[in-house]
Amino acid sequence: SQELEQSPQSLIVQEGKNLTINCTSSKTLYGLYWYKQKYGEGLIFLMMLQKGGEEKSHEKITAKLDEKKQQSSLHITASQPSHAGIYLCGADNAGNTGKLIFGQGTTLQVKP
Amino acid sequence: GAVVSQHPSRVICKSGTSVKIECRSLDFQATTMFWYRQFPKQSLMLMATSNEGSKATYEQGVEKDKFLINHASLTLSTLTVTSAHPEDSSFYICSARDPRTGSGNTIYFGEGSWLTVV
Repeated sequence: SQELEQSPQSLIVQEGKNLTINCTSSKTLYGLYWYKQKYGEGLIFLMMLQKGGEEKSHEKITAKLDEKKQQSSLHITASQPSHAGIYLCGADNAGNTGKLIFGQGTTLQVKP
Repeated sequence: GAVVSQHPSRVICKSGTSVKIECRSLDFQATTMFWYRQFPKQSLMLMATSNEGSKATYEQGVEKDKFLINHASLTLSTLTVTSAHPEDSSFYICSARDPRTGSGNTIYFGEGSWLTVV
């Protein structure tokens, strides 16, 4: 079965710094989703990537999917305290079914 | 605003009783919804797929008689935890795919429901 591995598991950065979170799949990704979660709350949809080499941006967050569709990165530029939370990557396990398997998450802290 | 909503957000029940959690798609119809469970400091684990008008499909290791799922309409799925025990205490969260987003089919999650069994 497909597995997703995120790195790093946790990250502490100074406000204003850039950071990158990686998500690596053991199989070719059909669709890769990025979400943000505050502990104990719902998941906020950030971006979805489908095509090899695809890149999407929303405000200061950019996500990329590599050409082989096995690795994705999430990059935050000029981080702010509001970016703090848990970032989760999820993959559609069997091809556009809507069922997602998730990486273990990356906890981000941004120090003012 | 939220496009998938869950209720209640928090519930406490006594051991041995049953508790129902609702998941609604607010702006779209969802023939399929998904239920996940999240243990403290861990990632989400898929429990089952809720299918409108037919039986739910459960993931391996999930007891279908304990976690009853009903998808009565195109906008509502319910998860009933039957004969709850303290080990069922967890964060339960649902998702639905928005068909309006085309082939990408953006998947939205509800706010989650905290269940505490005492």
